[in-house]
Amino acid sequence: ETGVTQTPRHLVMGMTNKKSLKCEQHLGHNAMYWYKQSAKKPLELMFVYNFKEQTENNSVPSRFSPECPNSSHLFLHLHTLQPEDSALYLCASSYSKIVSETQYFGPGTRLLVL
Amino acid sequence: QKEVEQNSGPLSVPEGAIASLNCTYSDRGSQSFFWYRQYSGKSPELIMSIYSNGDKEDGRFTAQLNKASQYVSLLIRDSQPSDSATYLCAVRNTGNQFYFGTGTSLTVIP
Repeated sequence: ETGVTQTPRHLVMGMTNKKSLKCEQHLGHNAMYWYKQSAKKPLELMFVYNFKEQTENNSVPSRFSPECPNSSHLFLHLHTLQPEDSALYLCASSYSKIVSETQYFGPGTRLLVL
Repeated sequence: QKEVEQNSGPLSVPEGAIASLNCTYSDRGSQSFFWYRQYSGKSPELIMSIYSNGDKEDGRFTAQLNKASQYVSLLIRDSQPSDSATYLCAVRNTGNQFYFGTGTSLTVIP
């Protein structure tokens, strides 16, 4: 396991449910990210938080709502999702100011929307 | 044009051979380049990073970068069945934006 943890690891939800994904990093990083990974597609960057401030939102539907209470924790709140939202959701973190630093990924949450 | 492009494969090589994975990128301002390995059902893990033109070697892995051609590659020498995975190329620009390719699936045949 890396220094980035995610819970839950698997989630099945109906389209009317509300759930939250949690990410925690223990690496002292300042930037955190949410990605969506679907089959046959590149990783899609959803949200970026830099020093707890959201710096990027790549046209993500409002049914996904991020929250970053501090630089170590990141949440993704889900409501009224669609079946096409089923995917692997990955959290990552990095030292944002240092260009040469890479991202470290959590194990991901496998989401299935019925 | 995609930010990062990779041959999707699948690429198959016999055990002990050299596997060559290629990646091109569109943003000339890109600063850092990474190769991740992703096993089925797992999250990506970093295996190589490179920032300057030329070669960088780490064990059986060699990353090659040519900024003029906007090209980065990964060579895996003495390929092992445990190297069978999807390899993701990632590029980071000065705006702290990461772009990933779709990945190349590699199978090493015993």
